[in-house]
Amino acid sequence: EAQVTQNPRYLITVTGKKLTVTCSQNMNHEYMSWYRQDPGLGLRQIYYSMNVEVTDKGDVPEGYKVSRKEKRNFPLILESPSPNQTSLYFCASSLGPGSGELFFGEGSRLTVL
Amino acid sequence: AQKITQTQPGMFVQEKEAVTLDCTYDTSDQSYGLFWYKQPSSGEMIFLIYQGSYDEQNATEGRYSLNFQKARKSANLVISASQLGDSAMYFCAMREGLFLYGGSQGNLIFGKGTKLSVKP
Repeated sequence: EAQVTQNPRYLITVTGKKLTVTCSQNMNHEYMSWYRQDPGLGLRQIYYSMNVEVTDKGDVPEGYKVSRKEKRNFPLILESPSPNQTSLYFCASSLGPGSGELFFGEGSRLTVL
Repeated sequence: AQKITQTQPGMFVQEKEAVTLDCTYDTSDQSYGLFWYKQPSSGEMIFLIYQGSYDEQNATEGRYSLNFQKARKSANLVISASQLGDSAMYFCAMREGLFLYGGSQGNLIFGKGTKLSVKP
């Protein structure tokens, strides 16, 4: 089954404790992206990747890092989480940046205390 | 200026009736795609329907159809025969620079959403 898988789905952590949200897709997609969703602000792009070893900042990259060492994986790293990073996070992928539908993971709800 | 505008924060519809969710967009690109996603209370983003800027016919997917009026820059979602399970948030989104590899960051720009409630 074609899918984008994120883990963990739910996480409560404390300020400053490094965490990683994993994302994996099994569709051989070149393009992957991370979004955060906040009430009243909608979904905003954090980082994206055009292909292996090619990543770039989206609209709200501060406080986040990403890596793309393999085509299927695109982890989101919060080196020192802060309460303003409490949000619902989505990983998404598509064949390319201009190829139409973006497939979303199920979302990861993160709370930083 | 907002690129995607959804003017209806919330809507009610009677079960089995049709409902239209409004979406207008703003872009200077010639190649773009318009999408609708459904987000139930469980949180996942479910793709519903897609319309490319060069598609001459309105897209349809089962009970969903997209009323695409390019000159007016509108892409309204029509849900026919509403069901209780249709109650959710609905997001209109746009992807610019379609079909132009390397021509965009591939960002899907979302509207603020419309909360649809289906009444029995």
